[in-house]
Amino acid sequence: GNSVTQMEGPVTLSEEAFLTINCTYTATGYPSLFWYVQYPGEGLQLLLKATKADDKGSNKGFEATYRKETTSFHLEKGSVQVSDSAVYFCALSPSQGGSEKLVFGKGTKLTVNP
Amino acid sequence: SAVISQKPSRDICQRGTSLTIQCQVDSQVTMMFWYRQQPGQSLTLIATANQGSEATYESGFVIDKFPISRPNLTFSTLTVSNMSPEDSSIYLCSVEDRRVGPNEKLFFGSGTQLSVL
Repeated sequence: GNSVTQMEGPVTLSEEAFLTINCTYTATGYPSLFWYVQYPGEGLQLLLKATKADDKGSNKGFEATYRKETTSFHLEKGSVQVSDSAVYFCALSPSQGGSEKLVFGKGTKLTVNP
Repeated sequence: SAVISQKPSRDICQRGTSLTIQCQVDSQVTMMFWYRQQPGQSLTLIATANQGSEATYESGFVIDKFPISRPNLTFSTLTVSNMSPEDSSIYLCSVEDRRVGPNEKLFFGSGTQLSVL
């Protein structure tokens, strides 16, 4: 079946540090891949997405590249800020067409200290 | 994008009681979904709330335990019935807003944190 495995947290970094949150997936066919972010007290928000192999999603300085050969979609940011403190969820949609029935990872809590 | 109001934001309930969670959207949306996030676990889809018909439940979830209403295109409720401590989770409403681009159309409420004693 479809599944997502992401890096266990929590992750604590200093401001301006480099961030990587690993995400690997198992899926049949050609899934779409997503990173969602949940800031304290808010709902999940789509951070970035990629719908096919070698696509790079990017937003707010975050990037992730859809690697079919390694079934990975690792989230990176070159210089984190305190405002990036949140929980990050990797997710997949079994098809390229939609995001309705998402399969989520467990989430990784990131804390950035000044 | 759709704005979702979900309430209550949190509640502490006694075993054997029921809690109804409300989800209100600021625009008409086709699809509404209910997810559960158990402690230390990922989000799991409970069901799709269908307007004017019975909800579609995922494997492992049944209507008697999680009755869902969807009276119109902007509102849905999820009831957690006959609660036990194992039901302690965060419950999230999400909606599909087709006014935005493909693969970007799923939006989430801020969740209801439920603790069952």
